[in-house]
Amino acid sequence: AQSVTQPDIHITVSEGASLELRCNYSYGATPYLFWYVQSPGQGLQLLLKYFSGDTLVQGIKGFEAEFKRSQSSFNLRKPSVHWSDAAEYFCAVGGIILTGGGNKLTFGTGTQLKVEL
Amino acid sequence: DTAVSQTPKYLVTQMGNDKSIKCEQNLGHDTMYWYKQDSKKFLKIMFSYNNKELIINETVPNRFSPKSPDKAHLNLHINSLELGDSAVYFCASSQSTNFQYFGPGTRLLVL
Repeated sequence: AQSVTQPDIHITVSEGASLELRCNYSYGATPYLFWYVQSPGQGLQLLLKYFSGDTLVQGIKGFEAEFKRSQSSFNLRKPSVHWSDAAEYFCAVGGIILTGGGNKLTFGTGTQLKVEL
Repeated sequence: DTAVSQTPKYLVTQMGNDKSIKCEQNLGHDTMYWYKQDSKKFLKIMFSYNNKELIINETVPNRFSPKSPDKAHLNLHINSLELGDSAVYFCASSQSTNFQYFGPGTRLLVL
């Protein structure tokens, strides 16, 4: 079964500081990996995704993530955090290709990011 | 234009009532999903439809019944609502195995 662990429930950083959010996954083959962001009262927005190829992927809003197969990790990073980055961040794994199409995503429990001004 | 839209945005109702949530996507995607996000923000897939055919049906009470009248719409009907059904319900869509676009969510509160 596929699973995702986000070990940090809450993280607080100062504006302008660097950020790393951790994500570990469990999946039997090469997974599809995603980071989504959810602002309060909003839906989920895709930040970036990894399907194959270059293990360092760039996303929107200056975020990047690195796929490390040996560590089963897909950590999210940003060199300089802005106050508007305060939100809930979800890592997801999806490798099960469903009969007839589609992709079954399993989400982590999320990391709440607070940004101090 | 909103890619994935849901109505209503908020739904407050009494226990025992029946309610529906509607979802529409204008992305031309072939797969649509329903997720439930509980009070601890945990997201879990409930159903998935591909070209109007049900392909995922997780362990969900049979009071929940999805219906897909066409590829662009996936509705969720809930019978005999219970307190534990209070949550945020998200609709999503994707083109085959590509990433999923999420709607803004429907906040359901059962009193």
